[in-house]
Amino acid sequence: AQTVTQSQPEMSVQEAETVTLSCTYDTSESDYYLFWYKQPPSRQMILVIRQEAYKQQNATENRFSVNFQKAAKSFSLKISDSQLGDAAMYFCAYRSAGAGSYQLTFGKGTKLSVIP
Amino acid sequence: EAQVTQNPRYLITVTGKKLTVTCSQNMNHEYMSWYRQDPGLGLRQIYYSMNVEVTDKGDVPEGYKVSRKEKRNFPLILESPSPNQTSLYFCASSTGQGWPGELFFGEGSRLTVL
Repeated sequence: AQTVTQSQPEMSVQEAETVTLSCTYDTSESDYYLFWYKQPPSRQMILVIRQEAYKQQNATENRFSVNFQKAAKSFSLKISDSQLGDAAMYFCAYRSAGAGSYQLTFGKGTKLSVIP
Repeated sequence: EAQVTQNPRYLITVTGKKLTVTCSQNMNHEYMSWYRQDPGLGLRQIYYSMNVEVTDKGDVPEGYKVSRKEKRNFPLILESPSPNQTSLYFCASSTGQGWPGELFFGEGSRLTVL
């Protein structure tokens, strides 16, 4: 079974600075999908960014980008120009791309605080 | 608006009193799933359904039941709730296999069992 590890339970960043959240995963598959979800205090789970494993290019969504290192099985999230609204719990998730594969496996999350 | 709707959002109940948390999606998604979220444990899957009348256990199914009689609905049933089922519950849906395949989540249901 696949596992997802987020080694930083908590992190903090100064407003307007850049922060990187770590995620590693364990899989024997070659094709899969990776996601970062954000959970603000409102509890709503919001998709931040997604990446297909067979794409070499790192995904980017505005201030959010990933550093996808397939060989190292690493999928870190970089938040640039951090804003107070970025304070949230962030979850990394893995999903197989195989036929009949529907399930996401989540890491335990990283709580990000943004300091004004 | 595309959404996953859960009810109730908050519930306090007592041990042994049966309850149902409803979940409905309006995106015609095949796949639906229930998760529970506990501090330090992340999201753990309870049950999932790949289509109508097709359900299967996730990682922590004990004490829960589900049904999928219609494509849009996937209720979570706690026949005899216990205090260790106090948690934050999320229903989620997706199109199924293939890209992008991300989950769309409901707003969560905070359950307290006394």
